[in-house]
Amino acid sequence: AQSVTQLDSQVPVFEEAPVELRCNYSSSVSVYLFWYVQYPNQGLQLLLKYLSGSTLVKGINGFEAEFNKSQTSFHLRKPSVHISDTAEYFCAVSRTGGGNKLTFGTGTQLKVEL
Amino acid sequence: NAGVMQNPRHLVRRRGQEARLRCSPVKGHSHVYWYRQLPEEGLKFMVYLQKENIIDESGMPKERFSAEFPKEGPSILRIQQVVRGDSAAYFCASSPTPQGGDSPLHFGNGTRLTVT
Repeated sequence: AQSVTQLDSQVPVFEEAPVELRCNYSSSVSVYLFWYVQYPNQGLQLLLKYLSGSTLVKGINGFEAEFNKSQTSFHLRKPSVHISDTAEYFCAVSRTGGGNKLTFGTGTQLKVEL
Repeated sequence: NAGVMQNPRHLVRRRGQEARLRCSPVKGHSHVYWYRQLPEEGLKFMVYLQKENIIDESGMPKERFSAEFPKEGPSILRIQQVVRGDSAAYFCASSPTPQGGDSPLHFGNGTRLTVT
């Protein structure tokens, strides 16, 4: 079984500042890793994913994440945030070859302030 | 192309009533997943269906919950005799293949169920 930990439930940040949202996972098998964003009253939208290869993954809206196998982490970063980035961010894992059965973290609410 | 369509967006039911949640996947997608999001929590997998088949229902509560994905029409998640603890957002997602990774999930906007 897999598990995902997002230690920060809320992250406030000023506009144009950098941000890092932390994600750690636990799994006894190899996994795929994902970050999803959820805007209020909407479904989840895929930001980026790590399947294999380069550990630095670039996604939409200027976000990137780095897979660190030794630390079992997949932290999400953006060098300069915008007000429109205010949303809930979910880290998720799935077992490689395990289809689309995802295990999600509890989410991090990113609040960008002026 | 229309994305995953869920209806209704909001559903209010009294305790003991039945709730029926509908999901039309992306056109051409034959794999449907249902997830539940309880307040202040992440999404939890409930069930994975292909046309006319339940593939994995390991996340479904043992009683009162059922799901189907008929040959024609939308996928339905049915909750009988609802209780207050069923209040949550229910998300449907679809994919064109059963493989994860390269064909990640497309999510609908969810149905927010409130049990009074």
